[in-house]
Amino acid sequence: EIVLTQSPGTLSLSPGERATLSCRASQIVGTTYLAWHQQKPGQAPRLLIYGASTRATGIPDRFSGSGSGTDFTLTISSLEPEDFAVYYCQQYGNAPPWTFGQGTKVEMK
Amino acid sequence: EVQLVESGGGLVQPGGSLRLSCAASGFTFNNYEMNWVRQAPGKGLEWLSYISESGGNMYYADSVKGRFIISRDSAKNSLYLQMNSLRAEDTAVYYCARATYYYDSGGYCIDYWGQGTLVTVSS
Repeated sequence: EIVLTQSPGTLSLSPGERATLSCRASQIVGTTYLAWHQQKPGQAPRLLIYGASTRATGIPDRFSGSGSGTDFTLTISSLEPEDFAVYYCQQYGNAPPWTFGQGTKVEMK
Repeated sequence: EVQLVESGGGLVQPGGSLRLSCAASGFTFNNYEMNWVRQAPGKGLEWLSYISESGGNMYYADSVKGRFIISRDSAKNSLYLQMNSLRAEDTAVYYCARATYYYDSGGYCIDYWGQGTLVTVSS
């Protein structure tokens, strides 16, 4: 089973600032099978990025994903008030088991 | 619009059973793999179970293998999770989640989530 470790645990930033979130895998993630999901308090998660770098339908272009192998990054170029949330990376593929990172909370400074 | 609506959560005693349901609408249910994912209070997300579009293939996390059973009913556009031998550590919000195969990058990725249903295991 692939273990995903996210850092930092919490990111304290102001609106307009750039957010950089990291996700490191315990072994190589095949064919960039890496997704990012956003979760706001009391809400279900929402898919932001799949294939490590492809934005899901309707996701603003201030969100971008990069990386391959074992190191992946989610970047929010300029934080909007609605972007303060918890972000989870997830590895997937052609068959489970699938795993999630423990999450990074982006909070308002 | 894709909608996934879970139901069936509630309070159950340790050792008891519960059956969760997920009603799907807004897409052709038969064409998609489906999953259950849970989130313990104040914790992160944990993938639990997957069922193929045909219902012929099922996978489980080690934490629930042998206790939980995933199933689907295409006629009712519904996904189910039968949970047996429940433990206090099974207390969580349970999400139904659809997976889509992305041909540009490959693999089945969760792309839509329901709002979740809370299961509390306590005496």
